[in-house]
Parts: sequence; C-alpha cells; structure tokens
Amino acid sequence: NAGVTQTPKFRILKIGQSMTLQCTQDMNHNYMYWYRQDPGMGLKLIYYSVGAGITDKGEVPNGYNVSRSTTEDFPLRLELAAPSQTSVYFCASGQFNYGYTFGSGTRLTVV
Amino acid sequence: TQLLEQSPQFLSIQEGENLTVYCNSSSVFSSLQWYRQEPGEGPVLLVTVVTGGEVKKLKRLTFQFGDARKDSSLHITAAQPGDTGLYLCAGLYSGNTPLVFGKGTRLSVIA
Repeated sequence: NAGVTQTPKFRILKIGQSMTLQCTQDMNHNYMYWYRQDPGMGLKLIYYSVGAGITDKGEVPNGYNVSRSTTEDFPLRLELAAPSQTSVYFCASGQFNYGYTFGSGTRLTVV
Repeated sequence: TQLLEQSPQFLSIQEGENLTVYCNSSSVFSSLQWYRQEPGEGPVLLVTVVTGGEVKKLKRLTFQFGDARKDSSLHITAAQPGDTGLYLCAGLYSGNTPLVFGKGTRLSVIA
C-alpha cells in the first residue's frame, strides 16, 4: 500500500502564480484533510472533506480551494500565490477516530 | 478556537534519561492521539487514547489520558537518539470535526 501520496515534494512559485498540490490515497478513507505547517506553529487545517463531493473550510482557508470528485483524490489549489503561503503542506486521510495517515509533504516557497 | 497546549516546547536530554511531555486543554476530548514527526516527513500516529484514565504502552513510551479527558502525557523511559523528533498531540472534540493539533514538543536525545 502506498498510503497517502503527495506531489510535488518541492516547488518554488513566483508571487501571483497558481498551482495545484496533488494528494491521492489508496486506503478507501472517507475523510481527507489539508494542513499547513509553519516553523513553531504546529499544523493548521486549511480544508477537509468527509466524502466525495463534500468539502468544508478549516482554520486558514483564505487563498486556497479544494475539490473532491473521487474518494481517492483531494487536490489543493493555490490561486495568486503570496509569500505568506510559503509553508510545508501535508495531506492526510483517516476514518473517524482511528488516526490519520499523512503524506510526506510538499515544501512550497513563494518568492 | 479550541486550543491544545503542549509543554515543554523544546527538550534536549542525554541518552538514557527519562522525560515526560504534556498536552492540556480546557475542553473535553472524545479521544486524543499522539504523533511523532521526523524531519522532512509527515507525522506518524503512535497511539490513540479514548477512555478517561487510560494508560497505553508502546515499548519505552507510556501514554496516559487524564481522568477528565482534558489532558494527556507521554513518558519516555531511557531515551535513545532514535526518539529524537517532534511529538504532536491531537484532540478530537466531537462528531466528525477534524483533529486539532498542538504546536508540538521538539525532543533531541544526545548520545
């Protein structure tokens, strides 16, 4: 099992550019999540989904969009990238109370 | 905003020492999870505790859930360099709400 796969691992964007962070899971989990992790700030929830076709905002959704057309995929879209979006992004999946499986992250720098 | 406070924020100890890290909230959790994160990787689930007063052991790691389900502790016996990493607690408050993460305790075990 691959678990949760994130691509790309690293990316440098210029201010104002857009990109999509890809996330795929092969565990048939209903729940999927996007977090960002800034140094010393822990994990902050951006968006989450409880199933295909259903998404909801987390703590820090501004500047991001998501879609969930299938159980497996949960891409995160950045529109008009800003330096404040420089961070490490983690996708995770889970089943209610049984703990999350995280991907290995995407390190994004906006210059 | 529901908060999880972790302490200490940083801990540097010698190999063979014991240590305890703490996770506290003013709110009641339905369950609490501990994760360990190594540099360049996503967090990995260590344990889930559900019942107030519950104690779980994972080799040299002992996890305890407070009787009132508002706090938790992680005790490591005879720490080894391989224990080095960021330890995150995460609380599930109710229903389908996503996990809320603390900022973590960064542990360094020196050989």
